[in-house]
Amino acid sequence: QKEVEQNSGPLSVPEGAIASLNCTYSDRGSQSFFWYRQYSGKSPELIMFIYSNGDKEDGRFTAQLNKASQYVSLLIRDSQPSDSATYLCAVLTLGLNSGGYQKVTFGTGTKLQVIP
Amino acid sequence: EAEVAQSPRYKITEKSQAVAFWCDPISGHATLYWYRQILGQGPELLVQFQDESVVDDSQLPKDRFSAERLKGVDSTLKIQPAELGDSAMYLCASSRLAGRGDTQYFGPGTRLTVL
Repeated sequence: QKEVEQNSGPLSVPEGAIASLNCTYSDRGSQSFFWYRQYSGKSPELIMFIYSNGDKEDGRFTAQLNKASQYVSLLIRDSQPSDSATYLCAVLTLGLNSGGYQKVTFGTGTKLQVIP
Repeated sequence: EAEVAQSPRYKITEKSQAVAFWCDPISGHATLYWYRQILGQGPELLVQFQDESVVDDSQLPKDRFSAERLKGVDSTLKIQPAELGDSAMYLCASSRLAGRGDTQYFGPGTRLTVL
């Protein structure tokens, strides 16, 4: 089982619709959860992070966390063609091989296509 | 706005050659990460530094890869000898501390092509 799992997509949504991106993780001790956006050929850029159960909203983006189900999601409202990118889920966990230092593990990403 | 700097942006080399990548984190960031990202996959952690100390290099292929951060500021990642399978994007990121909500900021990356 992969530590962080995402559907690779592509996920296609029409412009103006809500895009829903999902991520599951295997380590119950994971503490923080991040969503990054990555345009083709570019480096990841942070959209938002969440570490408490529930919802966290930032503009058109809402992150949702359910630690009992080990599930985190990202909703993008009013999707725009400029939102077309790969969305990476990242999970921060206590690193057993790193002397207690926390490490971040990335999923493989979900490719989102917003159709005009 | 402070940014993570990386160089070179692109590198083409032949297999068996040596290559080196440089990263300068955001000023004051104690934690520095090197990731490798193969096309279509997520970033994979190669090595993590806390100041000048390596805290995680469990996924670093130590027979050919080495990394250092001698003064706890900038860092160099080296591959010797390069192999065809090393073709990837090499990403450097930094954060103030490896904390619960601490954000990693990524540099622009180095695209390596091994021929």
